[in-house]
Amino acid sequence: QQQVKQSPQSLIVQKGGISIINCAYENTAFDYFPWYQQFPGKGPALLIAIRPDVSEKKEGRFTISFNKSAKQFSLHIMDSQPGDSATYFCAATSGSRLTFGEGTQLTVNP
Amino acid sequence: GAVVSQHPSWVICKSGTSVKIECRSLDFQATTMFWYRQFPKQSLMLMATSNEGSKATYEQGVEKDKFLINHASLTLSTLTVTSAHPEDSSFYICSASGRGVFQETQYFGPGTRLLVL
Repeated sequence: QQQVKQSPQSLIVQKGGISIINCAYENTAFDYFPWYQQFPGKGPALLIAIRPDVSEKKEGRFTISFNKSAKQFSLHIMDSQPGDSATYFCAATSGSRLTFGEGTQLTVNP
Repeated sequence: GAVVSQHPSWVICKSGTSVKIECRSLDFQATTMFWYRQFPKQSLMLMATSNEGSKATYEQGVEKDKFLINHASLTLSTLTVTSAHPEDSSFYICSASGRGVFQETQYFGPGTRLLVL
């Protein structure tokens, strides 16, 4: 059973636009919510993460919005650039175990 | 901080041979290491979890005799694919977590592409 659902599966955005990726979870035991960025042929790299007691976290052009009551969280990429084209995975941690979403393939057109 | 390396980055082998993949945490002590497998355009699939000095815990459906995992030190874990077959061809990624700030999540290596002919 997929415990973290991610959408959309793919996303095409024009340069300078806002990319938005959404995730929903079921397990209330999750206590840490990281986002990973993965380029083809590379391992996932930690991008930004949030704890459930915080509603928003911003690091540069990347912002996580977190809605604990709705059990949803999202990644916003402002001023999207062609170099942001990659696959993005949301995830949730319970203990040491990481549960991934299905991934979103983002393409930013120049 | 939180750098994890893998070696080799890619390997081609003949069917029936064994292949060893190394995973190292370079700047922190990895109390727990994880091994994942990833198929094209799919998410990561956890294969096993290992704590330093302990036997690995394998996920359901993963053959422990085929995928041997050793976590002998706080900076090194190895995955050995024994008697590899073409269906074992995949992208293998390790990750690590440690103590303090390094325990919040997992830090991933660059991956190893295995092709079994």
